[in-house]
Amino acid sequence: DAGVIQSPRHEVTEMGQEVTLRCKPISGHDYLFWYRQTMMRGLELLIYFNNNVPIDDSGMPEDRFSAKMPNASFSTLKIQPSEPRDSAVYFCASSLVQGMTFFGQGTRLTVV
Amino acid sequence: SQQGEEDPQALSIQEGENATMNCSYKTSINNLQWYRQNSGRGLVHLILIRSNEREKHSGRLRVTLDTSKKSSSLLITASRAADTASYFCATDSGTGNQFYFGTGTSLTVIP
Repeated sequence: DAGVIQSPRHEVTEMGQEVTLRCKPISGHDYLFWYRQTMMRGLELLIYFNNNVPIDDSGMPEDRFSAKMPNASFSTLKIQPSEPRDSAVYFCASSLVQGMTFFGQGTRLTVV
Repeated sequence: SQQGEEDPQALSIQEGENATMNCSYKTSINNLQWYRQNSGRGLVHLILIRSNEREKHSGRLRVTLDTSKKSSSLLITASRAADTASYFCATDSGTGNQFYFGTGTSLTVIP
């Protein structure tokens, strides 16, 4: 398996634009997580899914953020409209229940 | 917050020495995981230790877990320059499968 695959690896966008981050979890994993990493706040859990269903989105910063998982092999994290303070590295991760959690390489988002 | 807290925040050692990093957390857990992150890269999973385990080994890595003290330690023996990275512990909530990360220990191994 190629591991958790995220795209794009880098994204630079202007304030106010919509940003969509994509993730393909490891095949067979039934949990998917979205994290955000910044120098100030470290690694924050934004939302996680179990069997494609959102379980806990309490970490999503505000309504501008939304995440979907239409099937077991794909998830998106959308920011609309984007703001400079959204600049961060966004990680997707997947796991089996109570198992090791594997991370993608991350998407480095810069909002100017 | 359930977030783990690593200690020390930064550690600098000579190549060949052992490095010990500690993690403390607040509530009961099912599992604790340790990760490594090289600068500008993703997180690499190192070890998962379950709440009924006290110690696990993987190569030069040794992880201990003391649930009574709500703490874990990561020992890297015979350190190498390539071990230079940030190390994070991640704890679950005890009731769910999500993991929360601490602020990390930045390890520098001087050749």
